[in-house]
Amino acid sequence: DSGVTQTPKHLITATGQRVTLRCSPRSGDLSVYWYQQSLDQGLQFLIQYYNGEERAKGNILERFSAQQFPDLHSELNLSSLELGDSALYFCASSVGDDDQETQYFGPGTRLLVL
Amino acid sequence: AQTVTQSQPEMSVQEAETVTLSCTYDTSESNYYLFWYKQPPSRQMILVIRQEAYKQQNATENRFSVNFQKAAKSFSLKISDSQLGDTAMYFCAFMKGGSQGNLIFGKGTKLSVKP
Repeated sequence: DSGVTQTPKHLITATGQRVTLRCSPRSGDLSVYWYQQSLDQGLQFLIQYYNGEERAKGNILERFSAQQFPDLHSELNLSSLELGDSALYFCASSVGDDDQETQYFGPGTRLLVL
Repeated sequence: AQTVTQSQPEMSVQEAETVTLSCTYDTSESNYYLFWYKQPPSRQMILVIRQEAYKQQNATENRFSVNFQKAAKSFSLKISDSQLGDTAMYFCAFMKGGSQGNLIFGKGTKLSVKP
C-alpha cells in the first residue's frame, strides 16, 4: 500500500457525460501527478499540482481539467467523454516538486466509457 | 523531447533463474533520473528501483539491480532468483532533473515467471 488513495476504483459511464476522479496523496506529500494508461497510448503524464498550484502540464486534453484543494487532495474532471477516454487513471504523489522526490502511485481508477 | 524504448514486449523466465529487461532512452539532458516500475495483475504501479544519472554506481535493491550505461543511454534491469510474484509488466521511466518531475514511460515488458 503506497498510502495514495483514489476513488472510485471503477467507473462506467456513457459518451458525452462528465466524471470526477478523486485522489488523496500520502500524508505530508505536496505534489500530485495524474497519469493516463491506455492500450494505445501507454502511460502518459497529464498534469502536476504542487501545493495547490498547477506546476506542469502534459498531454492533457482541453476537455479534462484538474485542481488541488487546500487539504491537498486533487480531482481530475473529465467532460464530454468519448470512447477513447476509457483508460486507467493513476494519481501519484511526492513530498515536494523537487526532482529528488520519488513518486508513489495510487491504485488507479478504471474508467469505461460506453 | 525525451523518449524511452523497451524493445522486449514479452519475456519469460524459469523460477529461480536470472532475467534481464532492456531499456534505452534518448535525451540531451545531463541531469535526469531513471526508474523501473512494476505493474502486477492488480494494476498497482510499484517502484522497483531508481538511478540518478550523476551516480556512476549501479543501483541495487535486494534481487533487483540495474546496469546503467550513460554513454550508451541504456538502463537494463536484472532480476536474480526470479520468483512467481515477479510476474508483472515492467516499465522503464525517465524523469528530467528540475522542478517538473513528470515521468516518461516506455511501453513496458510483460514478464512471466514459470514454475
